[in-house]
Amino acid sequence: QLQLQESGPGLVKPSETLSLTCTVSGGSISSSSYYWGWIRQPPGKGLEWIGSIYYSGSTYYNPSLKSRVTISVDTSKNQFSLKLSSVTAADTAVYYCASQKSGGYCSSTSCYGGVYFDYWGQGTLVTVSS
Amino acid sequence: SSELTQDPAVSVALGQTVRITCQGDSLRSYYASWYQQKPGQAPVLVIYGKNNRPSGIPDRFSGSSSGNTASLTITGAQAEDEADYYCNSRDSSGNLVVFGGGTKLTVL
Repeated sequence: QLQLQESGPGLVKPSETLSLTCTVSGGSISSSSYYWGWIRQPPGKGLEWIGSIYYSGSTYYNPSLKSRVTISVDTSKNQFSLKLSSVTAADTAVYYCASQKSGGYCSSTSCYGGVYFDYWGQGTLVTVSS
Repeated sequence: SSELTQDPAVSVALGQTVRITCQGDSLRSYYASWYQQKPGQAPVLVIYGKNNRPSGIPDRFSGSSSGNTASLTITGAQAEDEADYYCNSRDSSGNLVVFGGGTKLTVL
């Protein structure tokens, strides 16, 4: 089964760039079955999807963060990375990486698509402070 | 603000059945997946698709959907089910991923 592990600085200064890497083990990041996602959770608050990437490099981002986010993939290292620029205290959060799958099913009347995150890293707290 | 709406808190007596709901227009076209998160831990997928449980998830957890509302039902809630529960799906355009605001479940 997949295992994911986030790594990167736990403290970032305001206006600087937050950089995190997620290392995937137990499977290939080049699998056609998966996208790879970043999700964050500010202290005491809910989950927020940041963005996702396919092994080919195709990305899509949360519109609220899109202007500051870059997600990239390194298939040779089985890793994908997150960069968030111009950070403020509001970006203080636990950052998770996760494997993302899509699927669908049909009932007697309708068909439904969807997405889910089946494997998660343990999360890493990033604090934005001077 | 989230396109998926959840009640902030729900409580259930030990051994009873509880339903946690997630509402959103996108749920008319896209299914909700459900996650359990205990304090200090990463979320764990408990339900995805029509009503699928990953390996290791007890069968007291089940999912259903009607119209714009998806539900996670715990039949015979246990003390260890006390946690935050989040739904997620695609947004109405189908191009983005969204999470609900989360529901804190208390087992009395």
